[in-house]
Amino acid sequence: SQQGEEDPQALSIQEGENATMNCSYKTSINNLQWYRQNSGRGLVHLILIRSNEREKHSGRLRVTLDTSKKSSSLLITASRAADTASYFCATALSGGYNKLIFGAGTRLAVHP
Amino acid sequence: SAVISQKPSRDICQRGTSLTIQCQVDSQVTMMFWYRQQPGQSLTLIATANQGSEATYESGFVIDKFPISRPNLTFSTLTVSNMSPEDSSIYLCSVEDPGANEKLFFGSGTQLSVL
Repeated sequence: SQQGEEDPQALSIQEGENATMNCSYKTSINNLQWYRQNSGRGLVHLILIRSNEREKHSGRLRVTLDTSKKSSSLLITASRAADTASYFCATALSGGYNKLIFGAGTRLAVHP
Repeated sequence: SAVISQKPSRDICQRGTSLTIQCQVDSQVTMMFWYRQQPGQSLTLIATANQGSEATYESGFVIDKFPISRPNLTFSTLTVSNMSPEDSSIYLCSVEDPGANEKLFFGSGTQLSVL
């Protein structure tokens, strides 16, 4: 069953704007990860944040984690047309072996 | 890092037939994961395959429908058996990062259409 719910389901912005995607989950986690998928193909890992971390940066990406609210957000700053893709959060559950449960995803469209 | 070769990349199959998807990794990995992504949906884990043991299937997936082989530490296959149109999906294999064992690397996926 899906662990994460994401919003918005779809997001359309102009190049240069920031894009924020949110993810909520239900159970305790070891870490939360964000992945990108272009055109329904293989996923690419973007960033991982551990349960004891609150914020993490990687290039134009900023991820926050609020374990009290069981939620995370992914911010892409200064978006580019090449950022157009689907973005998924995935949670690694605590207490179990390392399998990831994926959220529903956000489809981001960045217009030139 | 790990590079995964998955094939076929796409196939169109007739109802009632079976398709075997292959996943080859360029390094030895302990666990391989098979996911299904139905049209416009997220990824759902089918099963986890460890070398030398039976695959572990998630709720809603059974070995008779999705038999998996894992003959060594760099290769796995997933068979979609007795296909119906409801099996039309993207099937993805993935492996843990050999260095970190936390993040996953994915193959490019197999887009399956069942007529």
